[in-house]
Amino acid sequence: EADIYQTPRYLVIGTGKKITLECSQTMGHDKMYWYQQDPGMELHLIHYSYGVNSTEKGDLSSESTVSRIRTEHFPLTLESARPSHTSQYLCASSSSGSSGANVLTFGAGSRLTVL
Amino acid sequence: SQQGEEDPQALSIQEGENATMNCSYKTSINNLQWYRQNSGRGLVHLILIRSNEREKHSGRLRVTLDTSKKSSSLLITASRAADTASYFCATDGNDYKLSFGAGTTVTVRA
Repeated sequence: EADIYQTPRYLVIGTGKKITLECSQTMGHDKMYWYQQDPGMELHLIHYSYGVNSTEKGDLSSESTVSRIRTEHFPLTLESARPSHTSQYLCASSSSGSSGANVLTFGAGSRLTVL
Repeated sequence: SQQGEEDPQALSIQEGENATMNCSYKTSINNLQWYRQNSGRGLVHLILIRSNEREKHSGRLRVTLDTSKKSSSLLITASRAADTASYFCATDGNDYKLSFGAGTTVTVRA
């Protein structure tokens, strides 16, 4: 079944640890995105990619980095996690398709807590 | 920066009643989309309305768009407990990046 998968769903780690949040989609979508969401708050775009070897920073500055070596995979890495990185991270993908509209399919999210 | 702003922030209704929420945005758009988010989950796309459309229906959902006022509304008719969720509008400009607001949290009481 075509879908988008995020792992881990929940992660609690100590300050200074390196973490990677995984995101994979099986829909063959060319565009992928990472949003950061705090409870009750808007979603902030932190990274996006329009294809392999293409990554851009989003509207919200983030200390995280991303890579897009394969179409289906868009991992997010924090080299040294801090309590301010505590948040929910949502991965999404899209394909403009024949309609030209950019409709996003989201993963279930990764909730990160940094102690 | 935030493009869409939903109003109200929270809404509590009785099962069977209608729920209406509004979205205002700042710049010109290609289309406007509504998404639903159940607690602790990702967002699910509900409906899309293009900038040249004024109204669209999908099942119990009705969306309107007024580009002169830069606003949209989402109406959920005959609400059910399963409609309890947060609802977000998202604006799509010309760059394949959707901008989301902070959402309206809807609680449907049995």
